[in-house]
Amino acid sequence: DTGVSQNPRHKITKRGQNVTFRCDPISEHNRLYWYRQTLGQGPEFLTYFQNEAQLEKSRLLSDRFSAERPKGSFSTLEIQRTEQGDSAMYLCASSLWTRQMETQYFGPGTRLLVL
Amino acid sequence: DQQVKQNSPSLSVQEGRISILNCDYTNSMFDYFLWYKKYPAEGPTFLISISSIKDKNEDGRFTVFLNKSAKHLSLHIVPSQPGDSAVYFCAASGSSNTGKLIFGQGTTLQVKP
Repeated sequence: DTGVSQNPRHKITKRGQNVTFRCDPISEHNRLYWYRQTLGQGPEFLTYFQNEAQLEKSRLLSDRFSAERPKGSFSTLEIQRTEQGDSAMYLCASSLWTRQMETQYFGPGTRLLVL
Repeated sequence: DQQVKQNSPSLSVQEGRISILNCDYTNSMFDYFLWYKKYPAEGPTFLISISSIKDKNEDGRFTVFLNKSAKHLSLHIVPSQPGDSAVYFCAASGSSNTGKLIFGQGTTLQVKP
C-alpha cells in the first residue's frame, strides 16, 4: 500500500516564474486535498476535489493559483507569477469518503522557496 | 480567527511518563477531531481521531479525550518514548460533506531519555 506521493520535494524559483506541483493520492481514494503550511503554523486548507470535481476553494487561493485533477487520480497545483509570500510547504492529502467520517492521509509535501 | 488553538507551543517530558497535549476549539459545528504527528521535512502522519458522539478513543499508547461542553480535546501518550518527539497538530472537521480540516498551530513535544 503506497502512500501519498508528491513531486518535486523541493523547488526553488525566482519571483515571477510559474511552478507546478504534482500529487499522486492513495489509489481508490476519491478525495484529494491541498494545504499550505508556513513556519510555526498548522496546515491551511487551499482546495479539494472529489473525483475530478473541484468542490471548494479557500479565499487563500488567489487567481494565481490553479488546481486540477483531470481524471480523478493525480492532481496538479500551479502557481503563476510566484511571489516571495508563496514560499511555504505545500501538502497534499487524500481520503476515502463514504458519507461517514473520513481520515486524510498526507504526502511528504513540496517545499517552495521563492527568491 | 483561530478556530482551533493549541496554546502550548512546546512540552517536555521524561521518557516513560505521560504526555498530555491540549487543544481548544470555538466552532460548535465541528464534529470530528484528529491528531497528527509531524517530523521535520515530512508530511503530517495520522495518529488518532474521535467523533463528537464519543468522549474517549484509545489506540495503544494514545488516547484522545473530548469534552464538548468545554470545547476541549486532549491527547494522552502513555508511556512517552523518545521517538514520540515531534510536532503534534490537532485538527477539526465541521461537516460530513466537506472534510476540510482546520488545524491548530501545533505543539512541539520533546521526550527526554
